[in-house]
Amino acid sequence: KNEVEQSPQNLTAQEGEFITINCSYSVGISALHWLQQHPGGGIVSLFMLSSGKKKHGRLIATINIQEKHSSLHITASHPRDSAVYICAVIVSGGGADGLTFGKGTHLIIQP
Amino acid sequence: EPEVTQTPSHQVTQMGQEVILRCVPISNHLYFYWYRQILGQKVEFLVSFYNNEISEKSEIFDDQFSVERPDGSNFTLKIRSTKLEDSAMYFCASTRAKLSLSGANVLTFGAGSRLTVL
Repeated sequence: KNEVEQSPQNLTAQEGEFITINCSYSVGISALHWLQQHPGGGIVSLFMLSSGKKKHGRLIATINIQEKHSSLHITASHPRDSAVYICAVIVSGGGADGLTFGKGTHLIIQP
Repeated sequence: EPEVTQTPSHQVTQMGQEVILRCVPISNHLYFYWYRQILGQKVEFLVSFYNNEISEKSEIFDDQFSVERPDGSNFTLKIRSTKLEDSAMYFCASTRAKLSLSGANVLTFGAGSRLTVL
């Protein structure tokens, strides 16, 4: 059974700090998604990765397929970045389309 | 920016009642999904839908659940006889291409429908 593990579970940091959230998974995947869940519950897709690195504004996502590991980085963090960040994967093979989600990392950025 | 719209935002129902949650996916999207999140737990995949039929479903999606796209715009999730453990936030999502394919593929979520079963 594929598990998606995220670390840390909770992270509190000061405004301006560089943030790293990690995601590890146990089986082969075709793609990995990073999602942001706002305090009100809404979910926004940040990145979809199958290899390498992607950047959008202050957010950077990397993936190492061989190591089965992905990281989400936030540069110059801001209180508005406070949210739950969720890693989710598509297991490869068989055309499966269902996402398997991690439990999320609850990030608080203090001013 | 195009949105996925879900209604109702919150529904309270009695155990054993039927519930229908509605979603309007983005108009040029072809793949539709339902997910649920029990309070304090991780998001779970329920079902994917393409070309007017279920393409994949999880173990959670038992005979009590059904989905349909009755009129080409709405995408509904029906729970026939609700149980206490069905209380959760239900998210609809849509995408233009199959999620398992690589390449730019934006998955857009609705704001969710909170279901409370008493």
